[in-house]
Amino acid sequence: QQQVKQSPQSLIVQKGGISIINCAYENTAFDYFPWYQQFPGKGPALLIAIRPDVSEKKEGRFTISFNKSAKQFSLHIMDSQPGDSATYFCAASMWYSNTGKLIFGQGTTLQVKP
Amino acid sequence: DGGITQSPKYLFRKEGQNVTLSCEQNLNHDAMYWYRQDPGQGLRLIYYSQIVNDFQKGDIAEGYSVSREKKESFPLTVTSAQKNPTAFYLCASSIEGTSGRYETQYFGPGTRLLVL
Repeated sequence: QQQVKQSPQSLIVQKGGISIINCAYENTAFDYFPWYQQFPGKGPALLIAIRPDVSEKKEGRFTISFNKSAKQFSLHIMDSQPGDSATYFCAASMWYSNTGKLIFGQGTTLQVKP
Repeated sequence: DGGITQSPKYLFRKEGQNVTLSCEQNLNHDAMYWYRQDPGQGLRLIYYSQIVNDFQKGDIAEGYSVSREKKESFPLTVTSAQKNPTAFYLCASSIEGTSGRYETQYFGPGTRLLVL
């Protein structure tokens, strides 16, 4: 119940295309859902995050779509660029613990071809 | 220039040896975390600490130990009891936001541990 399941494991997209990465969770106590971006040999960095009181959040070319009833959320990268090639992790945390503990998905390696 | 530093970048461990990974932050963050990253498994929490002299086990604490003697520092020791230590180790820190919650985690550049 503590898991966050992420798919696909890897993704290849042409430049200018839309990249979509999906995550699903079981624990309804999760109430904060960030996405992290990691370049090879580097630490992850926060990309965008959402709370369940909204169904969508957009920042530039990056959009999170959130479906509370289905317990699913997804990252959409519009107009994908070669510089977006990285590993993306979804994550979730619970409000009541307030430890900041994040449960991460398994990661998706995105390659954007020029 | 604020941030999180981890050293060394690469570390080699011999059989039966304990090794210590350094993590320092000058962000004045209260909370610090250690994660282990293996291919295809995402990031798994080893230990975390929210205040000095206190820390809690994460999901995979066996074979690891930590200390938090200073707010800025959270070193991780990989003991000889950890039978499969080869991985990429990431340190992170966080601070309570305006929501009163720890949300954004800021990660260091990582240490890659290899077994000889």
